[in-house]
Amino acid sequence: DAGVIQSPRHEVTEMGQEVTLRCKPISGHDYLFWYRQTMMRGLELLIYFNNNVPIDDSGMPEDRFSAKMPNASFSTLKIQPSEPRDSAVYFCASSPRVGTGRAGELFFGEGSRLTVL
Amino acid sequence: AQKITQTQPGMFVQEKEAVTLDCTYDTSDPSYGLFWYKQPSSGEMIFLIYQGSYDQQNATEGRYSLNFQKARKSANLVISASQLGDSAMYFCAMREGGAGGTSYGKLTFGQGTILTVHP
Repeated sequence: DAGVIQSPRHEVTEMGQEVTLRCKPISGHDYLFWYRQTMMRGLELLIYFNNNVPIDDSGMPEDRFSAKMPNASFSTLKIQPSEPRDSAVYFCASSPRVGTGRAGELFFGEGSRLTVL
Repeated sequence: AQKITQTQPGMFVQEKEAVTLDCTYDTSDPSYGLFWYKQPSSGEMIFLIYQGSYDQQNATEGRYSLNFQKARKSANLVISASQLGDSAMYFCAMREGGAGGTSYGKLTFGQGTILTVHP
């Protein structure tokens, strides 16, 4: 079975540009998460969705960040305008519905490494 | 307060020996889950082992076992017979609330421990 698929794997952009990161969760998973990993702050949850509905976006740093999940098989994380401090690895993860598998286990994508110059 | 604390920034172990990676957690919720993930230098996050707060026995998955001490709020990962391929960053994580709760799937991660296995 295909795992969580993220694109792009690497993105280098200049400050002020718009960045869009994409994620395709594992088919049948009800939950989708966006995490950010930096050396200073470790792994932080930005936002997560249940059945395409945003449940908790309290981790989104500021209004420059937005996330959407228009359908069960696709999500985007957008940064506009980007800043150097947004440089990080952004992980998308999905999780199956309650009652299946290990409760709350996250299946991670390979991450998108963003560098903002 | 930190919800997940990993006090060992780095650990070294000789190949074929066992190693324990420490993790303590903080929660007032009686229902929670504890996870360990491995992140090799390639960057992907790999699930290793899971322990539910109501599980009576310590979890085991092959060479991995979780030393769960509920009263002490610790969930240490034990890797037996270390291999060179075990060299990686290891993260402890916690889900607060039971399956079906609003925090389902929302994991809080520790800062990680870098494990280096020497030949």
